[in-house]
Amino acid sequence: QSALTQPASVSGSPGQSITISCTGTSSDVGGYNYVSWYQQHPGKVPKLMILEVSNRPSGVSHRFSGSKSGNTASLTISGLQAEDEADYFCSSYTSSNTWVFGGGTKVTVL
Amino acid sequence: QVQLQQSGPGLVKPSQTLSLTCVISGDSVSNDNAAWNWIRQSPSRGLEWLGRTYYRSNWYHGYAPFLKSRITIYADTSNNQFSLQLTSVTPEDTAVYFCTREPKGTGEFDSWGQGTLVTVSS
Repeated sequence: QSALTQPASVSGSPGQSITISCTGTSSDVGGYNYVSWYQQHPGKVPKLMILEVSNRPSGVSHRFSGSKSGNTASLTISGLQAEDEADYFCSSYTSSNTWVFGGGTKVTVL
Repeated sequence: QVQLQQSGPGLVKPSQTLSLTCVISGDSVSNDNAAWNWIRQSPSRGLEWLGRTYYRSNWYHGYAPFLKSRITIYADTSNNQFSLQLTSVTPEDTAVYFCTREPKGTGEFDSWGQGTLVTVSS
C-alpha cells in the first residue's frame, strides 16, 4: 500500500488560513469516510485532530476542519497561530483492511 | 483518561526478535468497540501502521502486508496489555514504535504510548 500524498510544506502568516491536501486512491481516501488527521510537534507524540473526514474530537480547536472530495482529503487551519507550527499527517482506511499514512506536511507560521 | 505505557528494549541485534509491550490504564484490552494498534515512525519511512488486535466475541488481528510473515500482535487480558513481536529484524526496522488505541475501530488513534526508539544494530 503506497503512502498517501501530502505536500512537504505549507506556510502562512498569523491569522491566515491554510489548507493541507492528502491524496490517495479510490481504494483508500476515495472509498471510505475514515480519514484522520494528526498534529505532531517535534519530539512529541502525534495528536488526533480530525477523525472520520470532518469530525473534531473533544478539546480540539474549531479552527481545525476537515473535508474530502473524491480521492483527496483536506485539513484547513483557520486563524493560523504560532502554536500551529508542527507536522501534520493524514491517514486512511484501505480496501485491504489496513491503515495508511501520508508522508507528512510541515506547517510553518511566518 | 486512557494511558498507554510502553516497555521493551531499545536495542535489538539483526536477525533477532523485537518485543514491545503496552500496558493499558483507563480502558480494557477486551473493549469490544476498540482496537489496539502498533505504529512506527522513522525519518526515511515516515509513519507506518504495523497492525492491530481487537476483541469482537473472539480475538482478531490485522497486519500490514509488508510485515505479514514477521509480525505478531497479541493481547494479555490478565494484565490488560498488548504486545508486538517482530522477527528477523534488520536495520530497516530501526524506528520509534508507538502503541495506540482506536476507540471505535475507524482509524481514530486517540491515545498513544510514549514511543520507544528501537535501534537494530550489532
